[in-house]
Amino acid sequence: QVQLVESGGGVVQPGTSLRLSCAASGFTFSSFGMHWVRQAPGKGLEWVATIWYDGSQKHYADSVKGRFTVSRDNTKNTLFLQMNGLRAEETAVYFCARDKNENWGPDQYLDYWGQGIPVTVSS
Amino acid sequence: EIVLTQSPATLSLSPGERATLSCRASQSVGSYLAWYQQRPGQPPSLLIYDASSRATGIPARFSGSGSGTDFTLTISSLEPEDFAVYFCQQRSNWPSITFGQGTRLEIK
Repeated sequence: QVQLVESGGGVVQPGTSLRLSCAASGFTFSSFGMHWVRQAPGKGLEWVATIWYDGSQKHYADSVKGRFTVSRDNTKNTLFLQMNGLRAEETAVYFCARDKNENWGPDQYLDYWGQGIPVTVSS
Repeated sequence: EIVLTQSPATLSLSPGERATLSCRASQSVGSYLAWYQQRPGQPPSLLIYDASSRATGIPARFSGSGSGTDFTLTISSLEPEDFAVYFCQQRSNWPSITFGQGTRLEIK
């Protein structure tokens, strides 16, 4: 079965960096676009970034553009999110999610999600 | 940015009743709308995409309708496990996606 397991979260100070990982299993990772979505405590969902199945294209929310970088290692079935210049308002649970579309560009519907990893940005 | 507004914020119903949840877009999104269910402490799960197509394994009591700016998620007869938060999501201005603020479906 499809499994997505995030890691790398924690408590960091404003302005610092953190790298999240998402280990995928149960499907052909290299055939699917992947996403990061975050959810602040008690709030709704905010899309963060998308990467194509082959890593050829990456897309970001305006709120993180220039500070966050999404990447993937298809040989290790792992998705990454490098977060620089973190802000207090970016305290949230970060989810990785699989795109529903296979072997093509992402259709931006998210059909499997990890359990999420908390990130707290606080001094 | 396309803003999605969900109503009501909270819906109180009993098991066996019919639930109707609304999502309104600030501009037309065609049929590029999805619905997700999120149970407490769990990640969201995809229910409906392209406004009316059920995702894999989703029971037939869940249905979606609408196009343009007005969309509805209907649960024909509520089961205990259906009490959760529901989010709509648009992908019309691909690759950017936005979510609604959610509707909490609670047991009356």
